[in-house]
This record gives sequence, C-alpha cells and structure tokens, in this order.
Amino acid sequence: EDKVVQSPLSLVVHEGDTVTLNCSYEVTNFRSLLWYKQEKKAPTFLFMLTSSGIEKKSGRLSSILDKKELFSILNITATQTGDSAVYLCGINAGNNRKLIWGLGTSLAVNP
Amino acid sequence: KAGVTQTPRYLIKTRGQQVTLSCSPISGHRSVSWYQQTPGQGLQFLFEYFSETQRNKGNFPGRFSGRQFSNSRSEMNVSTLELGDSALYLCASKTGEAAGTGELFFGEGSRLTVL
Repeated sequence: EDKVVQSPLSLVVHEGDTVTLNCSYEVTNFRSLLWYKQEKKAPTFLFMLTSSGIEKKSGRLSSILDKKELFSILNITATQTGDSAVYLCGINAGNNRKLIWGLGTSLAVNP
Repeated sequence: KAGVTQTPRYLIKTRGQQVTLSCSPISGHRSVSWYQQTPGQGLQFLFEYFSETQRNKGNFPGRFSGRQFSNSRSEMNVSTLELGDSALYLCASKTGEAAGTGELFFGEGSRLTVL
C-alpha cells in the first residue's frame, strides 16, 4: 500500500533557528512530490519536485528530493513566527496519478 | 483573480442527514479535486473531476459522491452522515494539465460537524 510519512509530527523552535522537515515515501510509480504550507485553512503551494538532487529554493525555504532513498526534505532557515504552520507533503503516484498525503508536520516558531 | 471558493464555510448536521458542499474553481481551471482532512488521517483524496467527468476516485464509501458542471463548478454530497464524517473538506483546482500534475490551488474548506 502506498504511504507517505512525515517527521517530526510537531516541532517547536525559536525565531532564527533552522529547521529540517522530512518526508519519506513508499509508492508505486512515483511521479512528483509536492510541499504545501497550511496556516489556517487553505494549503498554499511551496514546491513541486520531480528529479533527484535538484534543489528548489524560494527565499528562506528550500527543498530537495532523493529518489533513491525515497525521501525529501524541506529546510527553513532563519525561521520567523510567520513560518508557524502545518507543512504537508504529497506524492503523485500510480497509474491513476492520485495524490497521497502525509499527516503533516506542525511547526511552531516562538519569538 | 478570485481564488477557489467553497460554500458553506461551516455547517452542523446530525447523523443520518445528508449534505452538499460547493466549490467554484479559479476561472479557467478545469480540474477540481476534493479532499477530506481530519487530525488523525490527514488529507485524504476523495475524487477528481475534469471537464464534467470523474477522473479519479479515492477509497471512500458510496455515500460520498460528486459532480462537476459545465462551468467547472463542482459539488460533493455525503448521504447518511456518520459522526466520523466530521472533517474539513477541501476543494482544489488546477488548469487542464495531465491528471495528477501541476500546482493545486486550495479553497479555505467547508468545516462539517456531525452531531
């Protein structure tokens, strides 16, 4: 059965810290991996990764995919209170191209 | 450009009732997908519609159904509600790329509470 596991499930840090969120997966016919940020209700898109070893970067956020070891990491440097959110990892896989999601990592950044 | 709009935002139902949720995608987006989000199960895929046709379906019972209209608006219906159906129901839209690819744009969700 396809599965996506995110770790840690929750994390509390202080402003200025650097955090690394993990997403590992076991799926059939991997197509892409998506990272989303969910602050209140609507998840917002961060990155889509399809190729191993190519880092995607947006400001203080970056992400990379390892298709051999079947995981991705999301890094946030110099965290700010506005980074407090649930970070969701979703995998597009299978012949029917369904999106399978992890449970998310709840990040709290304290001032 | 307006985002994905879901209505109603909040609703309370009792067991055995049915509910219909509505989703208006971003203008020009032809794909609409629905997700159920609960603390214990996370985001779970319900179904995806493209040009009024169901393209994909998740592992939910037949009580969960949906449809898409010619203007790309979509509705989902849950009949014979159970306590376990209490959740945030999220709708997402995207342009007409190949199934399962591309950035999803989510609505704010409909929070359903079943008593």
